[in-house]
Order: sequence, then C-alpha cells, then structure tokens
Amino acid sequence: GENVEQHPSTLSVQEGDSAVIKCTYSDSASNYFPWYKQELGKGPQLIIDIRSNVGEKKDQRIAVTLNKTAKHFSLHITETQPEDSAVYFCAARDSSASKIIFGSGTRLSIRP
Amino acid sequence: KAGVTQTPRYLIKTRGQQVTLSCSPISGHRSVSWYQQTPGQGLQFLFEYFSETQRNKGNFPGRFSGRQFSNSRSEMNVSTLELGDSALYLCASSLGVDEQFFGPGTRLTVL
Repeated sequence: GENVEQHPSTLSVQEGDSAVIKCTYSDSASNYFPWYKQELGKGPQLIIDIRSNVGEKKDQRIAVTLNKTAKHFSLHITETQPEDSAVYFCAARDSSASKIIFGSGTRLSIRP
Repeated sequence: KAGVTQTPRYLIKTRGQQVTLSCSPISGHRSVSWYQQTPGQGLQFLFEYFSETQRNKGNFPGRFSGRQFSNSRSEMNVSTLELGDSALYLCASSLGVDEQFFGPGTRLTVL
C-alpha cells in the first residue's frame, strides 16, 4: 500500500520569507495529492491539491509541485504571514483503494 | 452550504465502555470517511462509506465499526474502550473520489 513521508516535522520562518515542505510517496500509481492545513482545535482544511497529469499548481501565495519520476511533491508558501502558522499535512491517494494516506505533518511557525 | 458537522465535540468515557460518534456530511456528498488522529500516529484511516456500504477499511481492530444511513449521515462505534483509543476522531465527506472536506472532530478521552 501507499506510504507518505513528510519533512521537516517542524519549520520556523521569518514573516515575509518563504516556507517549503516536502513529501515523498511510495506508490507510483498514486494520482492525487492534496495538502491540508490544520489549526488548533479544528479539523484539517484542504488548501490545494494536484493531480498526476499536472506538474505545478498555484493559488495566490501557495504552490504545489509534483515530480512523478522521483515520487515527491512539495508545498511552497511565499510571503508568509502570522496566520500561516499551523500544522500542514501532505497526502496521497492509494491507487489500490479509495483511501487517502497522510504524511506525519509539519508544524509551521511564523516568527514576527 | 453548511460544512461537515460532528457530534459530540468532546466525550469522556472510561475503559470498557462503548461510544458512538456521529457525522453529517456536506449536503449532496455521499462518501464519508473516518480518521483517528493522535500525536504519535498522526492521521490514520479507519473506514469509508459510500451509499450505505463500507467501501474501504483501515487496519483497526474489529472494536471499531461504522455505518452510513440513507441520508448519508454516518456513525462510528468503538466498543470495549481502551486508554489508547483516546484521540481526535475526524470525519470527512466528499462528492467524488478525491477532494475530502473534514469536520471539526470529536475529542474522545478514555479514563
């Protein structure tokens, strides 16, 4: 089955700088890769996703890149703001089943 | 459009008891998935229901069960609670097979 690894586990960046979170997956047949943001006391919120027929997708300050050959995908947040502080999860859809497998999460802190 | 709702939000039980958690998906969504979130294990898939049928199941013991009703609302049940079942239980609904939208979760504490 699918396995997703996420790095780093914690990340602290200066407000205004960029943040990058990286994930690798094991199942070469996986075709859907969402990213979630979880704030304290809330459920994960889908912030962006990418499908395997696309190499990059951008939504305002957030972008995701996918390298199918290397089986890794990354989340890029530019011009970080205090409200970007949260735990971010990457995920991949297991091709053999309809379940989504999550990475272990990255706690992002934005320093003022 | 209202989001995914979960009830109750907080629950305290003792070992050996059983618990039932409820999830109401976004209107029109027929798929409901359940996840367990703990600090040590992260987000782990429990099961998924679609049109009242369990479509997929994670690697959890048989004490964890679920069902889905004709209105797409779903319940999950945990019997013979153990201390290790303390977690945030999250429900997610989806219209298709990909985009999942999560509820706020039910925080279960087992004493």
